[in-house]
Amino acid sequence: GAGVSQSPRYKVAKRGQDVALRCDPISGHVSLFWYQQALGQGPEFLTYFQNEAQLDKSGLPSDRFFAERPEGSVSTLKIQRTQQEDSAVYLCASSLVGGWDNEQFFGPGTRLTVL
Amino acid sequence: RKEVEQDPGPFNVPEGATVAFNCTYSNSASQSFFWYRQDCRKEPKLLMSVYSSGNEDGRFTAQLNRASQYISLLIRDSKLSDSATYLCGLISGGYNKLIFGAGTRLAVHP
Repeated sequence: GAGVSQSPRYKVAKRGQDVALRCDPISGHVSLFWYQQALGQGPEFLTYFQNEAQLDKSGLPSDRFFAERPEGSVSTLKIQRTQQEDSAVYLCASSLVGGWDNEQFFGPGTRLTVL
Repeated sequence: RKEVEQDPGPFNVPEGATVAFNCTYSNSASQSFFWYRQDCRKEPKLLMSVYSSGNEDGRFTAQLNRASQYISLLIRDSKLSDSATYLCGLISGGYNKLIFGAGTRLAVHP
């Protein structure tokens, strides 16, 4: 079956541009997570949705980062006025429900390069 | 101090070798523990969950030591295809967000 998909797979932005990254979770998955993975590091949590409700945004590094999931399925992560330190791979993950024993399935990520 | 720490490696081992990785964590209230495998330029994929009693899946054995706050992964009879980065992950606190270490790189050579 279809896994988590993300688009675009690669994005190059000039410093100061706004970008929007899309995540299509596995159909029927209630929980959706965004992570940021810098080169040579593990993924770091950004934000969490349960259906359309954003229940945790404690990992968003600044108010330039904004995420939404208006209909409880597709999610968009938006970064305004991109900076070089935003260059990273942005991973989306979904799980069936929110329990600790529910595996999170990761998408292939969007590799963002800010020049 | 980071919440989850791993030796970055790389661990260079010949085929057939046994290799072990450790991962230490600082939050004693951490609830669940996992090993993920990440191939170069790919997404992390769950390798195995780690249970208090220890668990085995083929050539892979995972252990949890709550007293010393570390988890381990043992790979027996290494294959070339085991070459990857192994991420230690845990869940602590609400909403089941995963907290990862920086990963340990394994390179298996002929």
